[in-house]
Amino acid sequence: QKEVEQDPGPLSVPEGAIVSLNCTYSNSAFQYFMWYRQYSRKGPELLMYTYSSGNKEDGRFTAQVDKSSKYISLFIRDSQPSDSATYLCAMEDRGSGGGADGLTFGKGTHLIIQP
Amino acid sequence: DADVTQTPRNRITKTGKRIMLECSQTKGHDRMYWYRQDPGLGLRLIYYSFDVKDINKGEISDGYSVSRQAQAKFSLSLESAIPNQTALYFCATSGGPNEKLFFGSGTQLSVL
Repeated sequence: QKEVEQDPGPLSVPEGAIVSLNCTYSNSAFQYFMWYRQYSRKGPELLMYTYSSGNKEDGRFTAQVDKSSKYISLFIRDSQPSDSATYLCAMEDRGSGGGADGLTFGKGTHLIIQP
Repeated sequence: DADVTQTPRNRITKTGKRIMLECSQTKGHDRMYWYRQDPGLGLRLIYYSFDVKDINKGEISDGYSVSRQAQAKFSLSLESAIPNQTALYFCATSGGPNEKLFFGSGTQLSVL
């Protein structure tokens, strides 16, 4: 089973707030975890990429993976109006041979940062 | 110029018509993909190609066909379009396994 659950939102928060975006999954074979950001009428672009459990930080963004709970999160600190977008989680089953053919995307969370 | 270019950006067609969506890339990647995105369903893989001579079906290939004309070009065809193929279509490329995807800006297709 390759199901990934993600709340579609919309999630609306004031500028400067800390944002928490989350996905849960059921396939314990997932090992690579990604967050893509998609602006309106644009293609998704990779924001964060992590392997296995743990945290990864990049500027205002932190990706967190908890494989024991099958739960991943993306935190955005000091949120800005320019962060308003749809955020999609994606996961890869390495046993599929690698590559985007093994990727499973969440449905995306629409985030709105209010000025 | 965009690294992954999709044409057209928008297309409205009628049921039963043949439609081709085109994708070209300047990234020099061997791997190319076609996805469709529907509200509430997320991104789903239609077809993918790892090189010019390699074509593979994805999760939802029924009703679609593809052609990899060159390393840089990958087209998606709907032989006889139907209304439930109305969606936003994305082409993507990657440089290899476990490498990130680069997406085009999408083609909004409406089948009436």
